[in-house]
This record gives sequence, structure tokens and C-alpha cells, in this order.
Amino acid sequence: DTVLTQSPALAVSLGQRVTISCRASKSVSTYMHWYQQKSGQQPKLLIYSASNLESGVPSRFSGSGSGTDFTLTIDPVEADDIANYYCQQSNELPLTFGSGTKLEIK
Amino acid sequence: QVTLKESGPGILQPSHTLSLTCSFSGFSLSTYGMGVSWIRQPSGKGLEWLASIWWNGNTYNNPSLKSRLTVSKDTSNNQAFLKVTSVDTADTATYYCAHTRPGYPYFDYWGQGVMVTVSS
Repeated sequence: DTVLTQSPALAVSLGQRVTISCRASKSVSTYMHWYQQKSGQQPKLLIYSASNLESGVPSRFSGSGSGTDFTLTIDPVEADDIANYYCQQSNELPLTFGSGTKLEIK
Repeated sequence: QVTLKESGPGILQPSHTLSLTCSFSGFSLSTYGMGVSWIRQPSGKGLEWLASIWWNGNTYNNPSLKSRLTVSKDTSNNQAFLKVTSVDTADTATYYCAHTRPGYPYFDYWGQGVMVTVSS
């Protein structure tokens, strides 16, 4: 299985830029996707195929990377962005998720 | 507008079979390219993909659950189903169904989730 590794938590000040990383145990090409999950809610798709912004998602969100290293960037961070962020690969079955990064505000 | 909603028993006993239903609108599982997936999340933990079913009837299961999973669909009634046999406390989680994009799949619309507790 492809294991995705994320930092458990990040603290950032409002208005600043934050990058959330996801590292894959093997190359997933650009088949990496990002989700936001707020407390008590279902996940929401933000970025698909590494760098494509899902319709309706603010342009403050962007994604980059290929192979094994990927980043989700939020710039600038707003209070509404407090959430857990998950990466997910679809290069091979089983589809797998990272363990999530909790974004906190300083 | 795509919407999905899960339904299930809420609580069930160990060794029993969990049956979940995903009722959806805004797309048809008989249309080329359409798919529905099941994902679960234990409280306070991460997401685990369980299975996917596609417009052509193909299904893919997570081998970590061995042969305990069965996914099926009823295209006439816009529903998808998940069965998990021989449940134990480790299956306690919120279960989500999600509309799934084809090819290198990802999940663009999610249901609100249904909480399932396995307890004696």
C-alpha cells in the first residue's frame, strides 16, 4: 500500500501563508488530492490531481507537487480555514489517505 | 446538484452484519463514468477508503478488510449499498458515501455520514 505521511499539526497566524505537506512512500505521479474537514462535518474536496482547484473553492488554496512530495498552500489564512486537511492518492489501489494535518491559529 | 445521504442501523452487536444505504440524487449510477465510494472514519481518527462501485458494475474493495465487504447498487432507485460482515468494535466509525470521479479516483461530493457503533 502507498503510505502518505503528514505532519500532525501546524500553527499559523491569520493573514499569513501556510504550506501543508504530504509525502508518499512511492511515486503517485500527480494523482494526489486534498480535502478539508471541519469539526463535525464531512470532508470537502479542495484540490484534485495535485494542482487543480475544485470549483467553488477560494483561490487562496493551491496545490503543487509530483512524484512523492506534495504541498497544499493557503495564502492568506483566514479564521474559517481552521480544520483538518487530508491528502489522498489514487495512483494505485487501495486508495489511501494521509493521517491528516490539524491547522491551528496562533 | 449532487447530494448523497447515508442511512444505517446506528448500533449493532459484534459478529453481526452491517448494512448501509447511500441514497443519492443529481447523477445516475447507470451513466458512464459515475461511481460511488464508501469511506469510514473512527471518532477522532483519519479516513479509510473501503470500497467503490462503478456505473458498469465493477467493484473494488480495500483488501485490509479481506472478504468482509460487499458493495452493490440499485440504479433504478439511485442507491448504493455496503455490507460489512462479522463486525467488531474496530468497525465503530462514521461511514461516508461519496460521488467518485473516474480514472484516478477522488471524491468530489460527500454525504453527511452515518455513525455506526458496534457494541454488545
